[in-house]
Amino acid sequence: NAGVTQTPKFRILKIGQSMTLQCTQDMNHNYMYWYRQDPGMGLKLIYYSVGAGITDKGEVPNGYNVSRSTTEDFPLRLELAAPSQTSVYFCASSYGTTGNPYTFGSGTRLTVV
Amino acid sequence: SQELEQSPQSLIVQEGKNLTINCTSSKTLYGLYWYKQKYGEGLIFLMMLQKGGEEKSHEKITAKLDEKKQQSSLHITASQPSHAGIYLCGRLSGGGADGLTFGKGTHLIIQP
Repeated sequence: NAGVTQTPKFRILKIGQSMTLQCTQDMNHNYMYWYRQDPGMGLKLIYYSVGAGITDKGEVPNGYNVSRSTTEDFPLRLELAAPSQTSVYFCASSYGTTGNPYTFGSGTRLTVV
Repeated sequence: SQELEQSPQSLIVQEGKNLTINCTSSKTLYGLYWYKQKYGEGLIFLMMLQKGGEEKSHEKITAKLDEKKQQSSLHITASQPSHAGIYLCGRLSGGGADGLTFGKGTHLIIQP
């Protein structure tokens, strides 16, 4: 199994540019999540989804958008990149809320200059 | 304030020594997860604890959950270079679907 696959691994954006971070899982998990990790700050939840067609905001959603058209895919969209969005982004998935581990992707390191 | 406090923030241990990392929650623990992250990589699931008093082990790593103290500890016995990395604890957010809330992590360095 591939697990959770994130692309790209690295990206440099100019201020004001837009991009989509891709996330795909092949475990048939209903729940998917996007986190960002900043140095010394741990992981912060951006958006999450409990199934296809359903998304909700997490702790730090400003500047981001998501969609969930299929069970497998959960892309994260940055419309107008800002230096504050320089971070490492992780996608995760799970079968459900309790009793199940969350599987993480290997991350996308984004720099906005 | 941080919902999950990890201590210490960083730890340098000589190879072969034992060590303990603590994770304390300011809210009721419905489930506590431990992950390891190698520098520049993703998170690797270690263990999940759900019940007070629960203890789980995997190879040389043991985790315990003290529900009354709202605290979990991660103990590594006879540390090895492969144990180096960032250890993160995460708690379920009240049984809802909104994922895990994480501590800031403990950076572990193993000195030969």
